[in-house]
Amino acid sequence: QVQLVESGGGVVQPGKSLRLSCAASSFTFSTYAMHWVRQAPAKGLEWVAVISSNGNNKYYADSVKGRFTISRDNSKNTLHLLMNSLKPEDTSVYYCANAFGVVPLSDWGQGTLVTVSS
Amino acid sequence: AIQMTQSPSSLSASVGDRVIITCRASQGIGNDLAWYQQKPGKAPKLLIYTVSSLQSGVPSRFSGSGSGTDFTLTISSLQPEDFATYYCLQDYIYPWTFGQGTKVEIK
Repeated sequence: QVQLVESGGGVVQPGKSLRLSCAASSFTFSTYAMHWVRQAPAKGLEWVAVISSNGNNKYYADSVKGRFTISRDNSKNTLHLLMNSLKPEDTSVYYCANAFGVVPLSDWGQGTLVTVSS
Repeated sequence: AIQMTQSPSSLSASVGDRVIITCRASQGIGNDLAWYQQKPGKAPKLLIYTVSSLQSGVPSRFSGSGSGTDFTLTISSLQPEDFATYYCLQDYIYPWTFGQGTKVEIK
């Protein structure tokens, strides 16, 4: 069955950087668009970023544009999110999710918690 | 960005009740509307995509309808495992946006 496993979360000071990873298995990773979605504590879901299957197209939420960079390595079935200039309001559980054709965000990882605090 | 407004924000219902949750988009999104269920401490689960297409494995008591800017999720007969928070998502244009969520609680 499809598996998405996030890693790289932790506690980081404001202004610092963190890189999240998402390891994918049991589906043809290179043919799926991949997304990051986050959820602040006790809050709703917020879409963060997407990368196309071949990595050529990327889109970001306004709240992270210019600070976060999404990337992927299709040879390693891995998705990344580089987060720079972190702010306390970036504190969230970060989920990776896949999308194919008209089916959005069909499979999700378990999430990784990022806490931005001094 | 397109704003998605869900109503109600929360509701109390009993097992067996029919539950309807609505989602309104700030502009037309065609049929690019999905619904997710999330239980505490868990990742969201896709229920419905393209307004009314049921994701594989999702019980038929869940259904979706609507077009343009107004959409609904209906649970025909609420079951104990359905108590959760539900979110709509527009995947019409980036940035994708979620509704603020509807928490379905036990009456």
